[in-house]
Amino acid sequence: AQSVTQLDSQVPVFEEAPVELRCNYSSSVSVYLFWYVQYPNQGLQLLLKYLSGSTLVKGINGFEAEFNKSQTSFHLRKPSVHISDTAEYFCAVSDQYGNKLVFGAGTILRVKS
Amino acid sequence: SAVISQKPSRDICQRGTSLTIQCQVDSQVTMMFWYRQQPGQSLTLIATANQGSEATYESGFVIDKFPISRPNLTFSTLTVSNMSPEDSSIYLCSAALGSGRMNFEQYFGPGTRLTVT
Repeated sequence: AQSVTQLDSQVPVFEEAPVELRCNYSSSVSVYLFWYVQYPNQGLQLLLKYLSGSTLVKGINGFEAEFNKSQTSFHLRKPSVHISDTAEYFCAVSDQYGNKLVFGAGTILRVKS
Repeated sequence: SAVISQKPSRDICQRGTSLTIQCQVDSQVTMMFWYRQQPGQSLTLIATANQGSEATYESGFVIDKFPISRPNLTFSTLTVSNMSPEDSSIYLCSAALGSGRMNFEQYFGPGTRLTVT
């Protein structure tokens, strides 16, 4: 069975500062990893995904994530955040077919001016 | 990508009643999923809705409580039956896009916010 741990429940950061949202996973099989963003009162939007290949994955809105198999991590980064990035971010892992997403508890990113 | 709509967007229901949530996808997809997001918590998979077969439920969820229909490749419904206040949650459907058994992207609807009084 897969599981996901998001190490920070909330991350406050000033506008234009860099940010890293941490995600660790556990799985007995090869997995696919995802980051989703949920803006207030909205559904989830896919930010980026890791399926295979390059361990550095670039997504939408300037976000990127790095897959580290030895540390079983998939941390999300952005070099300079905007107020509009304020949202909740979920890391997720899927089974070997890309189905049955298991989500972490979420990290609320609060960008302050 | 896929655009997913859900109806209703929110509802307030009395305990003991049932609510059916509809999920419509703008393209044909093989697999659809239903998730629950309880207040302040993450998403939990309820079941996988496959067209032409019965839904597959995750541990802790049963068909009598959450019956699911999947009449075609673009539509699914989830019914929350005999509701109690503990069912107050956001219910989200998703659709998986991929190739064959490999579905690498799930797109989510906006969710249905259910409050049970």
